Amino acid sequence: AQKVTQAQTEISVVEKEDVTLDCVYETRDTTYYLFWYKQPPSGELVFLIRRNSFDEQNEISGRYSWNFQKSTSSFNFTITASQVVDSAVYFCALSEAPRAGGSYIPTFGRGTSLIVHP
Amino acid sequence: DAGVIQSPRHEVTEMGQEVTLRCKPISGHDYLFWYRQTMMRGLELLIYFNNNVPIDDSGMPEDRFSAKMPNASFSTLKIQPSEPRDSAVYFCASSQVRGAKNIQYFGAGTRLSVL
Repeated sequence: AQKVTQAQTEISVVEKEDVTLDCVYETRDTTYYLFWYKQPPSGELVFLIRRNSFDEQNEISGRYSWNFQKSTSSFNFTITASQVVDSAVYFCALSEAPRAGGSYIPTFGRGTSLIVHP
Repeated sequence: DAGVIQSPRHEVTEMGQEVTLRCKPISGHDYLFWYRQTMMRGLELLIYFNNNVPIDDSGMPEDRFSAKMPNASFSTLKIQPSEPRDSAVYFCASSQVRGAKNIQYFGAGTRLSVL
């Protein structure tokens, strides 16, 4: 069975602080995919990133960066110089490899609510 | 292109009433997913369709829940009869596998309150 744990229920920071959202996963699959989604106050989940289990390179996109460590089964997300607009609920998710022509079927963590104060 | 469109955005009903939630996926997408989000259980997958055919409904909590996808541009999730514990935000998502990034795009959700 797959499981995603986001131990931080809520994080509160002041603007311009760096913040890291933790994600720990469990799976028996050797090939799997990890995701991060953002849920702003408007409600819809917005895809941020997908990584496969064979690619442990860290990824940076602007102020966002992701650290994937297979040894600790973690896929942490860091926001540098946080802004008020980053306030949202962030979900980490895990999917087994889809069959040919199939879709990812993510299992989501419980989410971390990030509040960035001005 | 418009995103995934869900209606209504908010629904308040009384216990025992039938509730129908609607979803229009992104045009050309071949997968459609229904999720439920609650404080207690987080985000749960209820059912998903591929090319309008239900593939896995193991997440549907009870026989009171049913979902249909009569065509590629419309799906419904029906609860009959509704109960207070069904109160949640219901999300629809769609994705396109062939020749695409295979990313799930979510609607804004329907917030259901059963009194």
